[in-house]
Amino acid sequence: GAGVSQSPRYKVAKRGQDVALRCDPISGHVSLFWYQQALGQGPEFLTYFQNEAQLDKSGLPSDRFFAERPEGSVSTLKIQRTQQEDSAVYLCASSLVGGHTEAFFGQGTRLTVV
Amino acid sequence: KQEVTQIPAALSVPEGENLVLNCSFTDSAIYNLQWFRQDPGKGLTSLLLIQSSQREQTSGRLNASLDKSSGRSTLYIAASQPGDSATYLCAVSHSDSWGKLQFGAGTQVVVTP
Repeated sequence: GAGVSQSPRYKVAKRGQDVALRCDPISGHVSLFWYQQALGQGPEFLTYFQNEAQLDKSGLPSDRFFAERPEGSVSTLKIQRTQQEDSAVYLCASSLVGGHTEAFFGQGTRLTVV
Repeated sequence: KQEVTQIPAALSVPEGENLVLNCSFTDSAIYNLQWFRQDPGKGLTSLLLIQSSQREQTSGRLNASLDKSSGRSTLYIAASQPGDSATYLCAVSHSDSWGKLQFGAGTQVVVTP
């Protein structure tokens, strides 16, 4: 595709509900990252995939957060039993090879937990 | 632990003035540094990528310098325009971190006509 695509753009979840956020990276990009951005802050790293392998998940805030990229392309970030502090913008980024090339970001999913 | 700081947090300038945005980082062992632009409600747009071996990068009206030893980068935007109004973020990566980026909190820029 032309760019990184994320869906949905906006999600309102009731506290305790499970949510799934989708990321379609740029075709051919090996590396895929998820970031969490709170209002007025810079993005914070959550997790990293190289193809289908999740090589770093050190930024996931709790075991309620789970990410997968089963075929090395589309990725899903799942949050179970959402809480109010999960409200943020979730950004997906992809890059060509090895993770040290230029990163391209999607428009993000704004999650609001009520 | 790496800390990335951007000062000032907000900046307002009249159209035509040059913009100078600062980014500092505490650990100089970086692999590269990227400058991004973020418009309200949008994702991040990459502006410039500077490898650790480089001193500067230029693209059009944008010029970014990197001084690894002092832990600083500066983004210069010449002859600012109202369309330059946005939040500008810098981010660093480390060679042992798979390219994951550590961001500053950003500088919010307003260019007034």
